[in-house]
Amino acid sequence: AQTVTQSQPEMSVQEAETVTLSCTYDTSESDYYLFWYKQPPSRQMILVIRQEAYKQQNATENRFSVNFQKAAKSFSLKISDSQLGDAAMYFCAYRSYVKMDSNYQLIWGAGTKLIIKP
Amino acid sequence: DAGITQSPRYKITETGRQVTLMCHQTWSHSYMFWYRQDLGHGLRLIYYSAAADITDKGEVPDGYVVSRSKTENFPLTLESATRSQTSVYFCASSPARTGDSNQPQHFGDGTRLSIL
Repeated sequence: AQTVTQSQPEMSVQEAETVTLSCTYDTSESDYYLFWYKQPPSRQMILVIRQEAYKQQNATENRFSVNFQKAAKSFSLKISDSQLGDAAMYFCAYRSYVKMDSNYQLIWGAGTKLIIKP
Repeated sequence: DAGITQSPRYKITETGRQVTLMCHQTWSHSYMFWYRQDLGHGLRLIYYSAAADITDKGEVPDGYVVSRSKTENFPLTLESATRSQTSVYFCASSPARTGDSNQPQHFGDGTRLSIL
């Protein structure tokens, strides 16, 4: 079974600086998807960025980028120019790429709380 | 507005009571999911549904019942609530896996359920 591990329960960064949140996963599959979700205090779950395992190029979305190391099974999130609004819980999630409908689940990490210091 | 709506937002009930959490989506997404979120566990899948009248167990289904008679609704029922079911519950939906198959799940705002 797949597992997702976020080893940093909490991280803090000075406003305008860069922070990297780590995520590792375990799988025997070769094709899959990885996601980072953000959960602010409002409790909404917001998609930040996604990565297809078959793509070698790292995904980027404005100030958010990932460092996807398939061989190492690592999927870290880098936030550049941190802003106060980035303060939230960040969750890493894994999804299989399978042709059968029965396995369309997300496997979640435990989350990392990101604190932004003004 | 299109989206996914959960109700109630907050619920307090007593052990042994039956409680139903509602989830409604307006996108006509095929897939719907129920998660619970507890400290130290991230999100754990309770049940999911691939289409109307098709449901399946997730990681932690015990004590919960779901139904999906209509595509847009996916209620979650705790038939006899226990204190261990105190949690935040999230409903999510996602389109069928055609075309862009990396579609993310879209989440409701969650229901905070307290069992006394």
